Amino acid sequence: QVQLQESGPGLVKPSQTLSLTCTVSGGAINRGTYYWDWIRQPAGKGLEWIGRIYTSGSTDYNPSLKSRVTISLDTSKSQFSLKLTSVTAADTAVYYCARQDDSSGHAPFDYWGLGTLVTVSS
Amino acid sequence: DIVMTQSPDSLAVSLGERATINCRSSQSVLYSTRNKNYLAWYQQKPGQPPKLLISWASTRESGVPDRFSGSGSGTDFTLTISSLQPEDVAVYYCQQYFNTPRTFGQGTKVEIK
Repeated sequence: QVQLQESGPGLVKPSQTLSLTCTVSGGAINRGTYYWDWIRQPAGKGLEWIGRIYTSGSTDYNPSLKSRVTISLDTSKSQFSLKLTSVTAADTAVYYCARQDDSSGHAPFDYWGLGTLVTVSS
Repeated sequence: DIVMTQSPDSLAVSLGERATINCRSSQSVLYSTRNKNYLAWYQQKPGQPPKLLISWASTRESGVPDRFSGSGSGTDFTLTISSLQPEDVAVYYCQQYFNTPRTFGQGTKVEIK
């Protein structure tokens, strides 16, 4: 059974960089059909897709965040990571990692991590 | 971006009754070459991540009770819970995976009347 687990600081100061890691267990991270995604959800609000990375290392980002986001993959550790720069209070949210399984890249999110709350505050 | 709009924002249904949630996309999510609608439905309970219920607009995931069904094509979709159970109280989201950025509806909160 595939499991995803987010980790990282729960508190980040304004203007600093948010860094999170998702560890994948129970399955290969580098299978050729997998995309690995980050999604966030402010408290009491809806879901916002941040971006994704393919096992080849290619990435897609939400244009609304693209200038501040980097997603990377470390297959040796079965991890992928999110960096979001210049954070503000508007970036306070629960951050989820998730998986898409289709070589075309067109697939729903079939596995999710439990989520980690990141608060941006001084 | 493809905008996903759900209706209603919330609904209260008696136990055993039908619940219907609608989702409309601002452009078609039907990929004609594969004849597939790139539309998913998720259920989210408090403090939990979303759970995938239905993919390709109408394919129920393994283990999802058959009281959940999805229908529709192109730009208009429906999630139906045929007989509401206490454990179905949740927020439901539709999501398109036709284009990036991936986008979700705003969510529909389902409660017991």
